[in-house]
Amino acid sequence: AQSVSQHNHHVILSEAASLELGCNYSYGGTVNLFWYVQYPGQHLQLLLKYFSGDPLVKGIKGFEAEFIKSKFSFNLRKPSVQWSDTAEYFCAVSTYSSASKIIFGSGTRLSIRP
Amino acid sequence: KAGVTQTPRYLIKTRGQQVTLSCSPISGHRSVSWYQQTPGQGLQFLFEYFSETQRNKGNFPGRFSGRQFSNSRSEMNVSTLELGDSALYLCASSLEGGSNTGELFFGEGSRLTVL
Repeated sequence: AQSVSQHNHHVILSEAASLELGCNYSYGGTVNLFWYVQYPGQHLQLLLKYFSGDPLVKGIKGFEAEFIKSKFSFNLRKPSVQWSDTAEYFCAVSTYSSASKIIFGSGTRLSIRP
Repeated sequence: KAGVTQTPRYLIKTRGQQVTLSCSPISGHRSVSWYQQTPGQGLQFLFEYFSETQRNKGNFPGRFSGRQFSNSRSEMNVSTLELGDSALYLCASSLEGGSNTGELFFGEGSRLTVL
C-alpha cells in the first residue's frame, strides 16, 4: 500500500525567505501526486498536481513542485514566501491501480513571521 | 455552485454511542471520499464511494461504515464510539474520483468529540 511522509512538522520562516517542504512516498508503481493547502479557518484546497509529463509542476500562488522518481520525492517550493502563505500543507499520492484512493501525509504547518 | 456540505458541524457523544455523519457533494460529483483528521496524524483515508458502491477502503475497524445514495449524498457511521474517535471527519467529492480530475473538493468537516 502507498504511504506518504512529510518530515517537517512545523516550519517557521520570515517573509521573503525561500521555502522547500519535503514529501516522500512509498510505492513502486505509477503514482499521481498532489499538494493540498489548508489556510486558517478554511477548508483544504488543491495547490498543484502531477500526473505525468514535465516533472516540474507549477501551481497557484507561485508554488511549484518537482517530481524526482528516483528519490520517490515531490517537494514543494516557493522562492519568496509571504505572510499569507501561513497554512498547513499536505502532500498526497494515489496509484494508477487505485486512482480514487488518495493518501495524505501528516501535514507540515508553515508559519511566516511578518 | 454550492460546495460540499457536511452535517452536523459539531457534535458531542459519549463512549459506546453511535454517530451518523452526512455529506452532500457538489452537484454532478459522483465520488465521495471520507477522511479522519487528527493533530499529528494528518488525514487518514476511511473509504471512497462511487455510484453507491464502495470502491476503496482504508485501514479502519469495522465500526466505521458508510454508504452512498442514488443522489450521490453519502453518510458515514461510527458505532460503539471510543475516546480515540474524537476527530474532524472530512468529506470530499470529485467528478469521478480524485485522480481523474486531479482535485478533491473538501467540506468544512464534522467535528466529533467523544466523552
